Amino acid sequence: EEQLVESGGGLVQPGGSLRLSCAASRFTFSSYAMTWVRQAPGKGLEWVSGISGSGGSTHYADSVKGRFTISRDNSKNTLYLQMNSVRAEDTAVYYCAKRTGFFIAYWGQGTLVTVSS
Amino acid sequence: EIVLTQSPGTLSLSPGERATLSCRASQSINNSYLAWYQQKPGQAPRLLIYGASSRATGIPDRFSGGGSGTDFTLTISRLEPEDFAVYYCQRYGNSSYTFGQGTKLDIK
Repeated sequence: EEQLVESGGGLVQPGGSLRLSCAASRFTFSSYAMTWVRQAPGKGLEWVSGISGSGGSTHYADSVKGRFTISRDNSKNTLYLQMNSVRAEDTAVYYCAKRTGFFIAYWGQGTLVTVSS
Repeated sequence: EIVLTQSPGTLSLSPGERATLSCRASQSINNSYLAWYQQKPGQAPRLLIYGASSRATGIPDRFSGGGSGTDFTLTISRLEPEDFAVYYCQRYGNSSYTFGQGTKLDIK
């Protein structure tokens, strides 16, 4: 079964930066588009960003556009999310997920990002 | 922007009962773009239904999806104790995903 393991979450001050990583295994990583979805404490799911299998196409939610950057290293089977100028409302569990067609086939267990002074 | 509205917000039922969850879109959407997920406390979401009515791998046949256009449903024919969770519908469009706000299914 495929595996996605997120890391890099933690406490960051407003205006600061953080880089999340997602290590993928047990599937051909470069063949799949990937996505980040977040969930604020006690709230629903919010799509954040997506990237094509080659990395040549990226997309962002309006709430993070210009502040977050998604990227991938297919040689390392790793997905990234660079988070800059973070705000309190970015506090959430961030899930790395594998996209298949028009839906999200598999989710990692998530990493918690807390933005607070 | 298409908005997905799920109802009810909370559904209280007993094991063995039938559950019907609703997801309404603000505009008509292609069935291929509609999915349902289950999320239990402290866990990541799990794909249940894709293409509005196709069960994902390993999903029991008591789960079924239906609907078209703007109205979609997730039905659980006979609730098992492990089915009490939060359920989200999701729509793909314009290279992004939109989720409903969720329906919490809890034990009566």
